[in-house]
Amino acid sequence: EIVLTQSPGTLSLSPGERATLSCRASQSVSSSYLAWYQQKPGQAPRLLIYGASSRATGIPDRFSGSESGTDFTLTISRLEPEDFAVYYCQQYVSSPFTFGQGTKLEIK
Amino acid sequence: QLQLQESGPGLVKPSETLSLTCTVSGGSISSNSYYWGWIRQPPGKGLEWIGTIFYSGTTYYNPSHKSRVTISVDTSKNQFSLELRSVTAADTAVYYCARHHTQLGYCSGGSCHYYYYYMDVWGKGTTVTVSS
Repeated sequence: EIVLTQSPGTLSLSPGERATLSCRASQSVSSSYLAWYQQKPGQAPRLLIYGASSRATGIPDRFSGSESGTDFTLTISRLEPEDFAVYYCQQYVSSPFTFGQGTKLEIK
Repeated sequence: QLQLQESGPGLVKPSETLSLTCTVSGGSISSNSYYWGWIRQPPGKGLEWIGTIFYSGTTYYNPSHKSRVTISVDTSKNQFSLELRSVTAADTAVYYCARHHTQLGYCSGGSCHYYYYYMDVWGKGTTVTVSS
C-alpha cells in the first residue's frame, strides 16, 4: 500500500501569510491521482484539490496544488481566518486508498 | 443538491456487528453510475478508507478489514450500507459515507466498466462507540 507522509505535523502562521503543506508518497502516484481535503472541527472533510493541481468546484484560487515526483504540495497564498483547519492528502491511484496523517494549520 | 446522511446505532458492544446506512438525497444512487464509499476517523486521528460499492453491487474493500466488512446497496431505497463484524474498541470512530468521482473506463461485450477516484461529496458523519 502507498504510505503518504505529511509535513509538518503542525504549522503556525498568521492570517495573510503563505502556507506550504507537504505530502510525500512512498511510491509513484501515477497520473497525479492525489487529492487534498480540508477538515474543520466537527465537520466532514471537504475536497479542495484533485489530480494534484485541479481545484474542486467553489474552492478559492488562493488554494493551489503541485507535484514533483513523489512530493506533493498544497499552497495557500494568503491565509484567511477560515483556512485554519487540518489538511489531508489522499492517493487514489491504487487500492487501498490511503490518506496522510494530516497537517494542522493553526493561528499563530 | 446531492446530500448524504449516515444513520445507525451510536453504541455497539464488543464482538457484535456495527451496522450503518447512508441515505442519498437530491439524486439517484444509480444515476450516472457512481461509486459510493465508507471512510472512518478514530477520535483524534486521521482518515481511513473502509470500502466502496458500485450501484450495481460490485464492492472493493480495504484489505485491513476485508474479512469483517460487507457493504451493500439498496437502489430502491437510495441507500447503501456498512456492516462491520466482531467489533472492538479500536473500531470506535466517526464513520463517513461519501460519493466517489466516477468516470467511464471502457465498454466491452455490452457492459461498461467505470473507475472510481477521490471523494467529492461527504456525509456529515456519525459517531460510533464500541463499549460494553
